[in-house]
Amino acid sequence: SQKIEQNSEALNIQEGKTATLTCNYTNYSPAYLQWYRQDPGRGPVFLLLIRENEKEKRKERLKVTFDTTLKQSLFHITASQPADSATYLCALGGANNLFFGTGTRLTVIP
Amino acid sequence: DAGVIQSPRHEVTEMGQEVTLRCKPISGHNSLFWYRQTMMRGLELLIYFNNNVPIDDSGMPEDRFSAKMPNASFSTLKIQPSEPRDSAVYFCASKKVAANNEQFFGPGTRLTVL
Repeated sequence: SQKIEQNSEALNIQEGKTATLTCNYTNYSPAYLQWYRQDPGRGPVFLLLIRENEKEKRKERLKVTFDTTLKQSLFHITASQPADSATYLCALGGANNLFFGTGTRLTVIP
Repeated sequence: DAGVIQSPRHEVTEMGQEVTLRCKPISGHNSLFWYRQTMMRGLELLIYFNNNVPIDDSGMPEDRFSAKMPNASFSTLKIQPSEPRDSAVYFCASKKVAANNEQFFGPGTRLTVL
């Protein structure tokens, strides 16, 4: 079965810096990959989707890359702010469902 | 739109009791998903429905778990009998069937089985 690893459980960075989160996967070839944000006590919220034939996708301060050869996606938040502190989940796209990683908890320190 | 609605938000019960979690998807969405989230295992897909029909229930841990979707606007996840290891946050999500649409999650039900 598919295995999804997100680089670390927790990541602390200084405000204004770029946060980079990693999602690695094995035993699967997703047609697309999604990133979600989850705040404490809430459900995940969709941020970005990138398809297998796309190398990079941007949305405001967010950037996602997708390397199907390395089986890896990188999620970047530029000019990070304390409000970006949350858990970020990557999810591999199935036929009509998603397989989620365990998430990386990001803390942006003022 | 009110988003995905789940009830109850919190449930505390004793081992052996029956627990029923409820979900109302977003109107117009025809796929519905039940997930369980724990610190150790993250977000796990339990079962999902397309057009009220169960498509994949391979994530349902055992026969104590069952899910139904009697119509397009309501689904239940039942645990009978409940056990302490079932303690987790259970999320319901919905989307339109098109393959790569984003999923919209409800606020979750935090279940504690004593």
